[in-house]
Amino acid sequence: GAVVSQHPSRVICKSGTSVKIECRSLDFQATTMFWYRQFPKKSLMLMATSNEGSKATYEQGVEKDKFLINHASLTLSTLTVTSAHPEDSSFYICSAQSSRGGSGNEQFFGPGTRLTVL
Amino acid sequence: AQTVTQSQPEMSVQEAETVTLSCTYDTSESNYYLFWYKQPPSRQMILVIRQEAYKQQNATENRFSVNFQKAAKSFSLKISDSQLGDTAMYFCAFMGGSQGNLIFGKGTKLSVKP
Repeated sequence: GAVVSQHPSRVICKSGTSVKIECRSLDFQATTMFWYRQFPKKSLMLMATSNEGSKATYEQGVEKDKFLINHASLTLSTLTVTSAHPEDSSFYICSAQSSRGGSGNEQFFGPGTRLTVL
Repeated sequence: AQTVTQSQPEMSVQEAETVTLSCTYDTSESNYYLFWYKQPPSRQMILVIRQEAYKQQNATENRFSVNFQKAAKSFSLKISDSQLGDTAMYFCAFMGGSQGNLIFGKGTKLSVKP
């Protein structure tokens, strides 16, 4: 159990276009989902925390108008990179936290999405 | 603010040997959780082991064990009987008791050599 999927796994887009990445918890309900960005050979950096039914909380330095996050249901969160530019090229990873219990619950990670902006 | 430090960017170990990856952290919280995650070349994050700060006993999961020194704010990972499949990036992570988000260290690239 506790599987998280991401779609697409890879996407290549032209500069100026928008790209949507989906994160789904397949066999559990996730009150909270997290979006991370990982540069090559670097660690994961938290971009935002998404709670179902409310606005996402963005980390300092992350443009909320550029990285739109929607968490419309307990099993789906989406990240939309608007007006993408080459510097947005990166590996984006989501994780989902079970709705059972409070903090300290394990986060289950998706397989990631590689975004390349030409 | 909490920080997580992994001072070993790369390590290597011979197959079947034991290796220890170090991690230190800084926090003013008394209730928190610590994790080690493995990221193989597939880049899928896999939980290796977790430790609740209020537990004095070190966590173990088969060949993986931790040395949790709360006063020293140290949380090292020991891998026994290393296997080729253990080759991966290993990230130490902190989660505050009042928060749900993880704070990651910079990672240690472990190579297991045959």
